[in-house]
Amino acid sequence: DTAVSQTPKYLVTQMGNDKSIKCEQNLGHDTMYWYKQDSKKFLKIMFSYNNKELIINETVPNRFSPKSPDKAHLNLHINSLELGDSAVYFCASSHLFLSTLWGYTFGSGTRLTVV
Amino acid sequence: GNSVTQMEGPVTLSEEAFLTINCTYTATGYPSLFWYVQYPGEGLQLLLKATKADDKGSNKGFEATYRKETTSFHLEKGSVQVSDSAVYFCALPNQAGTALIFGKGTTLSVSS
Repeated sequence: DTAVSQTPKYLVTQMGNDKSIKCEQNLGHDTMYWYKQDSKKFLKIMFSYNNKELIINETVPNRFSPKSPDKAHLNLHINSLELGDSAVYFCASSHLFLSTLWGYTFGSGTRLTVV
Repeated sequence: GNSVTQMEGPVTLSEEAFLTINCTYTATGYPSLFWYVQYPGEGLQLLLKATKADDKGSNKGFEATYRKETTSFHLEKGSVQVSDSAVYFCALPNQAGTALIFGKGTTLSVSS
């Protein structure tokens, strides 16, 4: 069983389109995250949800909107895609108050290419 | 706020060579420290961790010791293999404990 699964794995789309990436975890964790990894491998936190409530919302364009229907799912919707949005997006999960001891479990990533 | 700095790569080694990847941190208090590994085309995997000063984390032949005197958590392996080729990230929690902050990553390439 995959612990944190993301779909799709690859996404190629044109500028201006709207797209969604889905994430699901079966670990019973209460917190989920979206990270963006740029072409130089730099990882930056975008959003974090704890029990469906937003707890981190970094400086990210309003075109990015996370949604958490329940604590096992966290989706990322991106409007009006731009070339600069091309990156690998990683979903992760943890127990919030144990994450500082145990770290996170990551999905395998979604490679988004905007053309 | 908390931050982490790790050595720039790439690091290129021959099989069975000794590996060190430097990581230093700035933090309030003594947070847990982590090393994650990202194999080509995959997500990040937790490699090892240390939860308090002087702790040594170890896994798959890799080791790192939490040194508060030098605010460091250097990753070492005595004899690398081709299969160790990957990107290695040092990480620690942010000050609020609500997110992990990652270093810029160090690419390791091991040749036979």
